Amino acid sequence: DQQVKQNSPSLSVQEGRISILNCDYTNSMFDYFLWYKKYPAEGPTFLISISSIKDKNEDGRFTVFLNKSAKHLSLHIVPSQPGDSAVYFCAATSSGTYKYIFGTGTRLKVLA
Amino acid sequence: EPEVTQTPSHQVTQMGQEVILRCVPISNHLYFYWYRQILGQKVEFLVSFYNNEISEKSEIFDDQFSVERPDGSNFTLKIRSTKLEDSAMYFCASSPGTGGWYEQYFGPGTRLTVT
Repeated sequence: DQQVKQNSPSLSVQEGRISILNCDYTNSMFDYFLWYKKYPAEGPTFLISISSIKDKNEDGRFTVFLNKSAKHLSLHIVPSQPGDSAVYFCAATSSGTYKYIFGTGTRLKVLA
Repeated sequence: EPEVTQTPSHQVTQMGQEVILRCVPISNHLYFYWYRQILGQKVEFLVSFYNNEISEKSEIFDDQFSVERPDGSNFTLKIRSTKLEDSAMYFCASSPGTGGWYEQYFGPGTRLTVT
């Protein structure tokens, strides 16, 4: 039962351009969403999060958009840099629980 | 900058043996978690722990698994009788409990290989 899905396993983007990573969820009880970046042989690193009471959250080059009606969120990275090349996971949780469901990940490659 | 640490970085064990994976969460964090990632697959939630008890656990976290916070700093995951399919990266994470309590900070992981 894949409650959180990232349908694009990989994405290549030119340096300086925008990277858009997408995530869909099925559980309407989820009300908090997070994005993580993961390099090989390292643990996931928290990037940015969004609560369901918002539809956008911005932190530097990273912006997360949430469309609750579509149960869809996206991470925008502008401008993309070669150091952004990594696997990106979205995750979701419900307030009051301590269980996080991760998506399958999208491998982003930023080309110099 | 505070970080979550995990030991060992790589553990090799024989099927049927017990293993204990160790984690030191960030010192003022209150919530602790274990996840695993089988090679090439997604990060899977195993268990969350708060106030010295399990808060949530997944279907994966069966009777073969247990967690403990034996002192004020360590957080351990024990697998009693390992199976081949337990081979994976195991990640520990912690989160603050106040403010951005949803934000989890992960350790570098322990690679468990069961032969």
